[in-house]
This record gives sequence, structure tokens and C-alpha cells, in this order.
Amino acid sequence: DAKTTQPTSMDCAEGRAANLPCNHSTISGNEYVYWYRQIHSQGPQYIIHGLKNNETNEMASLIITEDRKSSTLILPHATLRDTAVYYCIVGSYPGSSNTGKLIFGQGTTLQVKP
Amino acid sequence: GAVVSQHPSWVICKSGTSVKIECRSLDFQATTMFWYRQFPKQSLMLMATSNEGSKATYEQGVEKDKFLINHASLTLSTLTVTSAHPEDSSFYICSASNSGRADTQYFGPGTRLTVL
Repeated sequence: DAKTTQPTSMDCAEGRAANLPCNHSTISGNEYVYWYRQIHSQGPQYIIHGLKNNETNEMASLIITEDRKSSTLILPHATLRDTAVYYCIVGSYPGSSNTGKLIFGQGTTLQVKP
Repeated sequence: GAVVSQHPSWVICKSGTSVKIECRSLDFQATTMFWYRQFPKQSLMLMATSNEGSKATYEQGVEKDKFLINHASLTLSTLTVTSAHPEDSSFYICSASNSGRADTQYFGPGTRLTVL
């Protein structure tokens, strides 16, 4: 699976959009980009995933560059409860024999401030 | 959404004893379960993948005789840390999936193990 690079930490003001970048320059054509987050001392929570098109759900938006070498997770209106470690993971496509396996990197610690 | 529970949520044991951690999918059948370990201020490390009714597949560097995994039913997987030592103290997290897909992988709340 491709390796990802994320900033170690970021701050965001409450109510503002939080934009979390991720580099995955070695991503292969059939690999998806997944985002999970982990609030302190809890299990990770799935946020969103995508292949090449931008995606949006009730939690966030995912913008993937045309060359797929990087992506940005957007939390449109960050709240204090969004303070967490955010993991960008490149993983096998759904339906592959290696599907489901998630290799976590160091992630980005997002601190939302009042 | 789907719920995964772990029991116990925390455990303290003496060095040399064995500890069993349970992971249950409460409202769905989990064909695949994953076990992770997380040391303080570090990321999650995948330990093994288990499919119901078959032997677990361990990641490189994880001792299968020390970390025994049993996935005997579609709703329960157990991780037994045998002959635990202080260096095994960690946060153990399981996840479960009914499709094998990464986007439908639901994580448990974790178990904090402290070995004295």
C-alpha cells in the first residue's frame, strides 16, 4: 500500500473550515484514499473515502487532485468535538483480496480552538 | 451505525499472567475482524486479521504464539496476550467488518492493558 504524508499538527478556529492535507504520491490506480479520525482514547471513526472524484457526506468533503497524488479533507464548520487525530490512509479497493486492511500513519492532530 | 464493543475496557495484570480481550459486533455479523495495538502518542499498528472459522493472519513481527486470536463466531473475536510483560502494556483496539471493505470497518472503543 502507498505511503501517506500528513502535517503533524494543525489548529483551527471553531466555526471555521478545517482543511487537512495529505500527500500520497505513490498511490496506484486502483487504490482508494480513506480518512479516519481518532478522538483521544477512543477507537477510530470512519469519515470518508474516494478514488478520484471529489466526495461529500454529512461529516466532510474530500478533494482529490487530478493526478491523485494528494488530497484534502475539509470539515466545513469545525467544532470543539472535531478535535482529534486525523488519519489519511491509502488502501486496497473494495472487493480486492486485501480489502479492509488499514495501515495507519502518524496522522494530523487537529486542535479546534474556541 | 454498526456497534463494536470490547471487554474489558481496561485491565491491570501481573507479569507472567495471560489476559483475554473480547471484541464483539453487536448488531451485525463480522466476517473479518482486525486487531491493532497503540502505544502512547503513537499510531495504530495492525497486529492481525482474522476471518471467522479460520486461522488469523499475523503481520510481520507479531508473535502469533504470544498473541492468540480466536474468531469462533461471526460476532466474537478474542485476543489473548499470553505471559504478559510490562512491554505489552498498550491500548488494544479491534475492528470488525461484514464486507471486508475498509469503509465499512467499525472500531471498538479499545482496551487499555497495563502489565505490572
